[in-house]
Amino acid sequence: AQKITQTQPGMFVQEKEAVTLDCTYDTSDQSYGLFWYKQPSSGEMIFLIYQGSYDEQNATEGRYSLNFQKARKSANLVISASQLGDSAMYFCAMREMDSSYKLIFGSGTRLLVRP
Amino acid sequence: SAVISQKPSRDICQRGTSLTIQCQVDSQVTMMFWYRQQPGQSLTLIATANQGSEATYESGFVIDKFPISRPNLTFSTLTVSNMSPEDSSIYLCSVENNEQFFGPGTRLTVL
Repeated sequence: AQKITQTQPGMFVQEKEAVTLDCTYDTSDQSYGLFWYKQPSSGEMIFLIYQGSYDEQNATEGRYSLNFQKARKSANLVISASQLGDSAMYFCAMREMDSSYKLIFGSGTRLLVRP
Repeated sequence: SAVISQKPSRDICQRGTSLTIQCQVDSQVTMMFWYRQQPGQSLTLIATANQGSEATYESGFVIDKFPISRPNLTFSTLTVSNMSPEDSSIYLCSVENNEQFFGPGTRLTVL
């Protein structure tokens, strides 16, 4: 069965520094996708970045990059040059590429950016 | 990406009543989903809303409690029936459009 693990319930980072949020996954499928979402206190889920299991290069979107290590089944999110507005919950999620397209979410990491 | 709206954005309801949440997308999408996020928890999939057929429910969720409609490719509703305080959650719809995008959520409090 699919499983997503986020081992960091909370993280602190100093403004302008980089931070890595951990995510490991477990699946027996060869084809899958990995997502990161940001959830501010308003409750909306903001899509940040996506990595497909067959993508050879790590995904990047602006200040976000995904450190994808397939053999270790990890998909860590790196946020560079942290900003105060980055303070939020961050969720890692996985989708198996069958017909269902449903997402399985990790428990989340709360990031607090210090000024 | 897709622009997704939900109504209502929040509501406070009495136990035993029902609430219908609407989800509208700005483009036609094949797959729409409904998730629940209980306080302090992660997201859990309730069901996949299928256009023209019954929704596909996940384990632990039943149609009598969470009836879903999907009349066309841009719209879906989720009803939370016979509510109890345990139903207090954020309910989010999402659509599959290469990536998966979420609506702003409906924050429900049941007294």
